[in-house]
Amino acid sequence: GAVVSQHPSWVICKSGTSVKIECRSLDFQATTMFWYRQFPKQSLMLMATSNEGSKATYEQGVEKDKFLINHASLTLSTLTVTSAHPEDSSFYICSAGQNSNQPQHFGDGTRLSIL
Amino acid sequence: GESVGLHLPTLSVQEGDNSIINCAYSNSASDYFIWYKQESGKGPQFIIDIRSNMDKRQGQRVTVLLNKTVKHLSLQIAATQPGDSAVYFCAELSGTYKYIFGTGTRLKVLA
Repeated sequence: GAVVSQHPSWVICKSGTSVKIECRSLDFQATTMFWYRQFPKQSLMLMATSNEGSKATYEQGVEKDKFLINHASLTLSTLTVTSAHPEDSSFYICSAGQNSNQPQHFGDGTRLSIL
Repeated sequence: GESVGLHLPTLSVQEGDNSIINCAYSNSASDYFIWYKQESGKGPQFIIDIRSNMDKRQGQRVTVLLNKTVKHLSLQIAATQPGDSAVYFCAELSGTYKYIFGTGTRLKVLA
């Protein structure tokens, strides 16, 4: 089955640090990947759509300069939280699908804690 | 628009009983629906999907029902087990390749 790997699973860092999160599709190619943010006891909020070889599409209210997305290959998308602050602490999850007629498969998420 | 819950409703079910989790979706034009299971500290895991040209689909111990008239989706879990304890989300695909997630329901299985 389709497997999506996310790394790291847990990050703790100081305020002002930039943090990079990787999302890989292990056994399929993904021209489109998605990045979500999830607060405790809440649903997933779509942050942006990552498009291979082109700019990401950000949802309303998401700062593109704050959350940099790069999708340089068909199996890897990265999310960089720049100059992270405590309010950026959250659970970040990526997903990918083989095509629009197949369900999205999710990574296991990255718990980001900014001190 | 997107649904973001302020808190998760909880469904408590006795082990061995059947569970029914409900979801109201927002867009009548949505044509693909998925149920995901999310365990603590993990990403959502695919359970079952259904397209808008169907009103019922069965998997192993799970059944999804779709009522397009009232924009309602339900997930039925037969003979609920302790391992079924998790948060369940419905998601709708509306035209584009973008999913909209429901607020989620926490399922607690009582021994």
